[in-house]
Order: sequence, then structure tokens, then C-alpha cells
Amino acid sequence: TQLLEQSPQFLSIQEGENLTVYCNSSSVFSSLQWYRQEPGEGPVLLVTVVTGGEVKKLKRLTFQFGDARKDSSLHITAAQPGDTGLYLCAGVHLPSGTYKYIFGTGTRLKVLA
Amino acid sequence: SQTIHQWPATLVQPVGSPLSLECTVEGTSNPNLYWYRQAAGRGLQLLFYSVGIGQISSEVPQNLSASRPQDRQFILSSKKLLLSDSGFYLCAWSVRWPGAWFRSETQYFGPGTRLLVL
Repeated sequence: TQLLEQSPQFLSIQEGENLTVYCNSSSVFSSLQWYRQEPGEGPVLLVTVVTGGEVKKLKRLTFQFGDARKDSSLHITAAQPGDTGLYLCAGVHLPSGTYKYIFGTGTRLKVLA
Repeated sequence: SQTIHQWPATLVQPVGSPLSLECTVEGTSNPNLYWYRQAAGRGLQLLFYSVGIGQISSEVPQNLSASRPQDRQFILSSKKLLLSDSGFYLCAWSVRWPGAWFRSETQYFGPGTRLLVL
């Protein structure tokens, strides 16, 4: 059973368009992180959300943690080719044991110039 | 500042051969350490994690093993590689806080090792 489901799995859009990536679970997470990964490299942290309902902005990226801390979304405004990559959400699922991070299935984004 | 190293970057090994991947962290003490495997373009599967020297927790039954001989060194090994062991292996660390309460902290990833078993 996959604890964190991401949608969509693949997304190809034109430069300048907006998009939203979703990370959903039926379980409660103490926090959620969003990472972006380039081919052949390790994931790089974008943001951590901790409080239910929290919204964080990072330039053109807006991250939201659901009120019940079961889901999160990543919204990109006016996407650019540099946003291309694999987006991963990850969270600490305390019932699974401390120190264990559960990763989502990933969303591969391609932004065309 | 903290840095995490992995080597080798790329490895091609025949089926049945042994494996040793190494991960070291600099600039921090008593970190939590993790090994993940990633299938092409997909999410990460946690293989092992360690909260201290000699303390290893295994997440997935497999022919891989992990060891932590020093505080900031984490090693992934196999006695006999299988074709299915091919993948991208990532090491990560996070801050370990004293006491029973777990605080949500970020994981920082190494550059990864791409393993191809032929």
C-alpha cells in the first residue's frame, strides 16, 4: 500500500502555463517535504510544511499543507523550462515508526519552451 | 556546513558479484542515516536507516545489508548481486534530536550511485 500518492504522474506543459501537483494520503503526517530531482542527482529540498493549513511561497512556487495534515499541493505559476524535473513529496508517518520518511510516487514535469 | 558524499558515482557489476557502496557525512554529529533505492523516474524506496553506530533497521527483505561502522559512515553491501538490484542508490542524513520526541527535520541527499547489474 502506497501511503503517499502523487498526481499527476506525468505533466508536459508550455512555458508560462500554471500547474498544480497533488500529494494525498489517508494517513496523518507530522510534516511534509517537497523535493525536486534532476536526472542522475539526489533530490533537493524545496520546502517543509509542518502546520495544518500552512501555505509557503518560494518565488513562483506555492506549497500548501492540508488542514488535516493528510495532503499537500504544489502550485507553480508561469512555469519555466528550468522547472523541469521530478517532484517528490515526502513525509514522516509516525505510526510507521520514528525517523522514517515515506516518499510519494513522484510527478515528472516537463516545461516546453 | 554539512556535506554528504557517495561513491562510486557509477558502477557496473556482473550478477553474483559482491557490492559495497559508501556514504559519508561531514560537518555534523550523530546524524540519522538512510539508504534508498529509486527506480527510473520514480519515488524512493527506503532500504535501511540508522540512528547510531551499529544500529541498523531494515525495511525491505532483500539480499542487501547495511552497516554503520562509524558515526558518519554508512555502507550498503551485498554478497551476491541480482539483476533486480540495478537502480539508483541514494544516501541521506537528517539531524537526530535527543530525547524520545521526534522533530520533523529535513533529509539531505547525496549525489547517488547508479548501479547496473548485468
